[in-house]
Amino acid sequence: DQQVKQNSPSLSVQEGRISILNCDYTNSMFDYFLWYKKYPAEGPTFLISISSIKDKNEDGRFTVFLNKSAKHLSLHIVPSQPGDSAVYFCAASGRDSGAGSYQLTFGKGTKLSVIP
Amino acid sequence: DTGVSQDPRHKITKRGQNVTFRCDPISEHNRLYWYRQTLGQGPEFLTYFQNEAQLEKSRLLSDRFSAERPKGSFSTLEIQRTEQGDSAMYLCASTDYNEQFFGPGTRLTVL
Repeated sequence: DQQVKQNSPSLSVQEGRISILNCDYTNSMFDYFLWYKKYPAEGPTFLISISSIKDKNEDGRFTVFLNKSAKHLSLHIVPSQPGDSAVYFCAASGRDSGAGSYQLTFGKGTKLSVIP
Repeated sequence: DTGVSQDPRHKITKRGQNVTFRCDPISEHNRLYWYRQTLGQGPEFLTYFQNEAQLEKSRLLSDRFSAERPKGSFSTLEIQRTEQGDSAMYLCASTDYNEQFFGPGTRLTVL
């Protein structure tokens, strides 16, 4: 069973507009959420994170929103730029991972294409 | 560059051969993770070290896989008797808090 789901495999957005990437999770023990950006043949690059005690975190053009009751988070990119084109992964960690590892559980990713 | 590094970046091997990958984490990070990513999937957790102690292993880590982190610095991941199903990107990450920082990965192809 997939504990972190990104239901949109791809998203196309015009340059300058808002990109909204969505993520749903099922494990109520998750208490920390992260977004990563990945280019082909490279490792994931950390973008932004949010703790379950918050409902919003902002860093420049990137904002993450967390709705705990719906077990849903989203990443907003405003304004979108062609360099933002990549695969975006949602990840979660929580207290229930054994030995306090806080291992990350990832979604399958959403490929964002920003069209000039 | 003080990021996470991995070596080699690419490895092609024949089925049945042994392979070893190396990860050098960010120097002040005491927690180190290995993940595996296959096409169309997100990274999946393999194993975790706190300093030199291997504290958790995923059920994905069969007995053909072994990982070490001597002296709590670099780590190695060895796969014995490789199978075609082992073909994947192997990622290493390190952290000292919540955000994990990933290396560029080692792409393994088993022929």
